[in-house]
Amino acid sequence: QVQLQQSGPGLVKPSQTLSLTCAISGDSVSSNNAAWNWIRQSPSRGLEWLGRTYYRSKWSNDYAVSVKSRITINPDTSKNQFSLQLNSVTPEDTAVYYCARDGGYYSFQHWGQGTLVTVSS
Amino acid sequence: DIQMTQSPSSVSASVGDRVTITCRASQGISSWLAWYQQKPGKAPELLIYAASSLQSGVPSRFSGSGSGTDFTLTISSLQPEDFATYYCQQANSFPPRWTFGQGTKVEI
Repeated sequence: QVQLQQSGPGLVKPSQTLSLTCAISGDSVSSNNAAWNWIRQSPSRGLEWLGRTYYRSKWSNDYAVSVKSRITINPDTSKNQFSLQLNSVTPEDTAVYYCARDGGYYSFQHWGQGTLVTVSS
Repeated sequence: DIQMTQSPSSVSASVGDRVTITCRASQGISSWLAWYQQKPGKAPELLIYAASSLQSGVPSRFSGSGSGTDFTLTISSLQPEDFATYYCQQANSFPPRWTFGQGTKVEI
């Protein structure tokens, strides 16, 4: 049974970096048939896929155009987890952030519990 | 990006009712569509993938259909635990530009 446990601060100041971690149990971040995603949800933007990291003989990433210049998703094989960094945040980045493992046909089968991140001074 | 439009935005229904939710894509996405249920304060849960494949453990009263641009989620007999918000998601674009619908709230 795959379980995802998120951690990270709930309050970030404008212009700073949002950092969240997603710890994986029941699967491996290095799995050749999994992809590890970050998704956020806000009243103004709805559900928004942000990006993913995955291993297929080498590590690869895909990012949403809306955040591509500000986002980094990294795997940590030693701790079996992956992380999200979003730079230069503004109040518009205030949202509940979820990590998720993919399922069939690029759906999202397993989700973390969500972390409300507020961008405010 | 492909836009996903759900209708209606909300629906009032009773236990035992048949409920149908529609999702329309701004361009053809074959069968690259998933449906999720979300309850307040919780993460979304996967119901349907590949437009019509029922996720393991999901009750059979949920079904999905459609291909191309028009898709439907049907709850055949609404149960008390089904009152929630439902979202569609397209996964057709590569490199990934995956997008969600705005949601349909099923209310009592």
